[in-house]
Amino acid sequence: GQNIDQPTEMTATEGAIVQINCTYQTSGFNGLFWYQQHAGEAPTFLSYNVLDGLEEKGRFSSFLSRSKGYSYLLLKELQMKDSASYLCAVFSGGYNKLIFGAGTRLAVHP
Amino acid sequence: DAGVIQSPRHEVTEMGQEVTLRCKPISGHDYLFWYRQTMMRGLELLIYFNNNVPIDDSGMPEDRFSAKMPNASFSTLKIQPSEPRDSAVYFCASSAPAGRGDYGYTFGSGTRLTVV
Repeated sequence: GQNIDQPTEMTATEGAIVQINCTYQTSGFNGLFWYQQHAGEAPTFLSYNVLDGLEEKGRFSSFLSRSKGYSYLLLKELQMKDSASYLCAVFSGGYNKLIFGAGTRLAVHP
Repeated sequence: DAGVIQSPRHEVTEMGQEVTLRCKPISGHDYLFWYRQTMMRGLELLIYFNNNVPIDDSGMPEDRFSAKMPNASFSTLKIQPSEPRDSAVYFCASSAPAGRGDYGYTFGSGTRLTVV
């Protein structure tokens, strides 16, 4: 079966650091994505991990441990515009088939 | 590139009517995906195509749903007859094969469908 778990909601303060966790159990694994989705908009690509370890891209970093079925997205120096849903997605089964978690709604407060 | 283009942006229809959603993928992308998003179920993969051929339609909820891709630049998702529970945002996305360096899907702006 396919199971991707993320916290439903998180809150954080502007300027702080927040870590959003994702655990997965899928039939087959070919990589993990993080997407950002603002309310009423389409998801947009943030990061991609296929090997274990940390990928850093500006204020955003993503970590993967394939043996643990675990990933996290780290957001530094939070800004109000980072208030959005963050979706964890796994390449599963078919070569190009993305399965999404339910998403984590992040609210950034002043 | 104009990105993935979906139409219409909003659709309100009465129960029992036929609904057709349209998608134009990014030129050169050979994968096309149809997703449905609701508060309750999140983003669900309905069907995807590779080189215009349907590869996996296991997510299509019922026979009322059908999808076609007659050529590399156009796809449709049809619901006939529509029901109130079909109300959702329907996203189309396209991608190139992994390994070309441009990872990830590009999503269209979505079609917000309301069936009353």
